[in-house]
Amino acid sequence: DVVMTQSPLSLPVTLGQPASISCRSSQSLVFSDGNTYLNWFQQRPGQSPRRLIYKISNRDSGVPDRFSGSGSGTDFTLKISRVEAEDVGVYYCMQGTHWPLTFGQGTRLEIE
Amino acid sequence: EVQLLESGGGLVQPGGSLRLSCAASGFTFNTYAMGWVRQAPGKGLQWVADISGTGYNTYYANSVKGRFTISRDNSKNTLFLQMNSLRAEDTAVYYCAREGGSTAYGHFTSWGQGTLVTVSS
Repeated sequence: DVVMTQSPLSLPVTLGQPASISCRSSQSLVFSDGNTYLNWFQQRPGQSPRRLIYKISNRDSGVPDRFSGSGSGTDFTLKISRVEAEDVGVYYCMQGTHWPLTFGQGTRLEIE
Repeated sequence: EVQLLESGGGLVQPGGSLRLSCAASGFTFNTYAMGWVRQAPGKGLQWVADISGTGYNTYYANSVKGRFTISRDNSKNTLFLQMNSLRAEDTAVYYCAREGGSTAYGHFTSWGQGTLVTVSS
């Protein structure tokens, strides 16, 4: 199975400051069609997960442009340019390239 | 608007069975693959199973293979998860999620609110 490793697991951030989450996969996520199926999900407290980013860097509809994704191969990053109070929650990376589908452990973002 | 409404969760004894349902609306159900993802209390997300838009192709996590069966009724816009031989470690909130297309997996573009399954004696 592809292991997805996130860091840090806990991320205290001051309002208005940037935040960055790393996600590394145990093997390349480049699919045979040339796409890299790496997603980022946000789960706010008490809510269902919501997809933010797909194929490394594409924002879903309604996702603020302060969220951005980057990376390639096995190393990926989610960045929030200026953290707002509504960004509190747990962030997961997930790979959709290989079966079984696997998630990272999650990174808990909190306001300090 | 895409809506996914899970039901069927509850308390079941170890070794027992449970059938989860997910009623879908707001999109053409048979043109999308669907999946189940679970979350144990206080833990992260774990993919459980996926099924193609036609229902012909199914995929399972190793931890549930042989015990769980994913299926769908496209005439009723409903997704199912039949869970047999349940174990304590299957205790979790189970989410149904819509995939990216009929055979496009690993996208989970929309999620339901989840249904809690508790396996305990």
